[in-house]
Amino acid sequence: DTAVSQTPKYLVTQMGNDKSIKCEQNLGHDTMYWYKQDSKKFLKIMFSYNNKELIINETVPNRFSPKSPDKAHLNLHINSLELGDSAVYFCASSQENRGGNTEAFFGQGTRLTVV
Amino acid sequence: AQSVTQLGSHVSVSEGALVLLRCNYSSSVPPYLFWYVQYPNQGLQLLLKYTSAATLVKGINGFEAEFKKSETSFHLTKPSAHMSDAAEYFCAVSGYGNNRLAFGKGNQVVVIP
Repeated sequence: DTAVSQTPKYLVTQMGNDKSIKCEQNLGHDTMYWYKQDSKKFLKIMFSYNNKELIINETVPNRFSPKSPDKAHLNLHINSLELGDSAVYFCASSQENRGGNTEAFFGQGTRLTVV
Repeated sequence: AQSVTQLGSHVSVSEGALVLLRCNYSSSVPPYLFWYVQYPNQGLQLLLKYTSAATLVKGINGFEAEFKKSETSFHLTKPSAHMSDAAEYFCAVSGYGNNRLAFGKGNQVVVIP
């Protein structure tokens, strides 16, 4: 059983299109994240949800809109795609812990290519 | 805010030789430190984590790391490199009350036969 699963794994689309990436975790965690990995492999957090509530929103263009229908799912919708959005997007989950010492479990990533 | 620095993006090591990847952190609160590995076209997998218990932490695949507060470091080592260790390695930090991970730029490890 895959703990954190993302679909699709690859996504090629034209500039200006709108696309969504889906993420599901079966670990029973209550916190989920979206990270972006650029072409130089640098990873940066985009969003974090805890029990369906947005708790972290980094300086991400508002073309990116996360949605969490329940605590096991966190989807990412991107409007008006731009060339610079090309990257690998990782979903992750962790168990909420005020201590901050719990590790995140990552999905396999979605490689988005905007042409 | 927390941050980590990893020097040297590419690290080449001979098979059987010591693997040493350096990570230095900056944190205004007691840090929690992690090392993750990313194999080609895959997600990140946790190697080990420091959570203020033992300063020498053992992880999977023979890796270990030592937390040194005086040096603000959390270097990753493996005594003998194996071909299967070729991957990207990331150091990450979070702080008390904050599950947000801040990642270093990563080290791509190449193992030479």
